[in-house]
Amino acid sequence: GAVVSQHPSRVICKSGTSVKIECRSLDFQATTMFWYRQFPKQSLMLMATSNEGSKATYEQGVEKDKFLINHASLTLSTLTVTSAHPEDSSFYICSARGLGGSSYEQYFGPGTRLTVT
Amino acid sequence: QKEVEQDPGPLSVPEGAIVSLNCTYSNSAFQYFMWYRQYSRKGPELLMYTYSSGNKEDGRFTAQVDKSSKYISLFIRDSQPSDSATYLCAKGDYKLSFGAGTTVTVRA
Repeated sequence: GAVVSQHPSRVICKSGTSVKIECRSLDFQATTMFWYRQFPKQSLMLMATSNEGSKATYEQGVEKDKFLINHASLTLSTLTVTSAHPEDSSFYICSARGLGGSSYEQYFGPGTRLTVT
Repeated sequence: QKEVEQDPGPLSVPEGAIVSLNCTYSNSAFQYFMWYRQYSRKGPELLMYTYSSGNKEDGRFTAQVDKSSKYISLFIRDSQPSDSATYLCAKGDYKLSFGAGTTVTVRA
């Protein structure tokens, strides 16, 4: 149980275009979803937290107009990277937690590798 | 200062050896401590969690927390080549803070 999927797994886009990444909880209702960014050989950096039906809460230094997060249902959250630039190239990982779940009950997706050319 | 400090390694050990991984943390608020395993280009997978000082065992894995010194450790006994991965320590109550991850290679 507790499976989280991400789509696409890899995406290459041109500079200036927008890219949407989907995160789905397949077998549980995810009241909270988290979006992380990971650079090579570095740790996961939390970008934002989203609760179903609410606006996302962004971490300090993360541009909310650039990284649009939507959590419209209990099984789906999307991250849209708008007007992508090469410096946005990274590994994006989502995680999901159900209602009342403890901090360790956060299940991670397989990640999406974004390359902006 | 980062909330969680972890030596990125890399660490290379022969098969069968004990792997010892360590992290230090700041902020002593009540929280859980976790260890995740991450294979290349994959998402993290929870290995173990604990919230109290002391040891917790699960098969070949032992997680250790020393709250007085703000130190968390993971030991892997009888290491196997399949244990080769990046190991991330993390702590948190609602949001998680991660260490940089230690890349471990177990040589056959």
